[in-house]
Amino acid sequence: NAGVTQTPKFQVLKTGQSMTLQCAQDMNHEYMSWYRQDPGMGLRLIHYSVGAGITDQGEVPNGYNVSRSTTEDFPLRLLSAAPSQTSVYFCASSQSGGVTGELFFGEGSRLTVL
Amino acid sequence: AQSVTQLDSQVPVFEEAPVELRCNYSSSVSVYLFWYVQYPNQGLQLLLKYLSGSTLVKGINGFEAEFNKSQTSFHLRKPSVHISDTAEYFCAVSTNRDDKIIFGKGTRLHILP
Repeated sequence: NAGVTQTPKFQVLKTGQSMTLQCAQDMNHEYMSWYRQDPGMGLRLIHYSVGAGITDQGEVPNGYNVSRSTTEDFPLRLLSAAPSQTSVYFCASSQSGGVTGELFFGEGSRLTVL
Repeated sequence: AQSVTQLDSQVPVFEEAPVELRCNYSSSVSVYLFWYVQYPNQGLQLLLKYLSGSTLVKGINGFEAEFNKSQTSFHLRKPSVHISDTAEYFCAVSTNRDDKIIFGKGTRLHILP
């Protein structure tokens, strides 16, 4: 089983460039979310979605956009990358009723913004 | 809004000794509580969760946690640690008021030989 798949695993950007981090899950989970992990800061919620067509902001949404056109995919877009967005990004999914269920995480995408 | 505080950023403990990793939460409504583990260079995986019912929750790999509403705590314990328990541990909280799952800053568990 693939589970939650994130691409790319590593990316280097220059300030001002845009990019999309891809996330796909094959478990038919309704709930999907994006976190960023920084040393000493733990995981911080960026955006989340409870189903196709529904997204909402987390703790640190500024500088990021998301959309959810299908159940399987939840891409995270950086429109104009900044050095402060250097981080490891994790996508996670859960069955419906996501806040009570187990989050399944991808392996992470390490982004460096120069 | 809900929040969670992990009081220790690092915990060193000798192999085969007991360990307790502390977690306190803040919320104005009823909470759901979780502990996740992250091994080096991997994503997170669920250790255990408290939704309701018995306040003592048992998880994988011999870990357990106790929900204490009066102390707003959900501390993680293991009676005897092994070198394979070396990892970072995250406490997380959610509520039925919104769909956010909020994580703490993590505690690194160092097992000493």
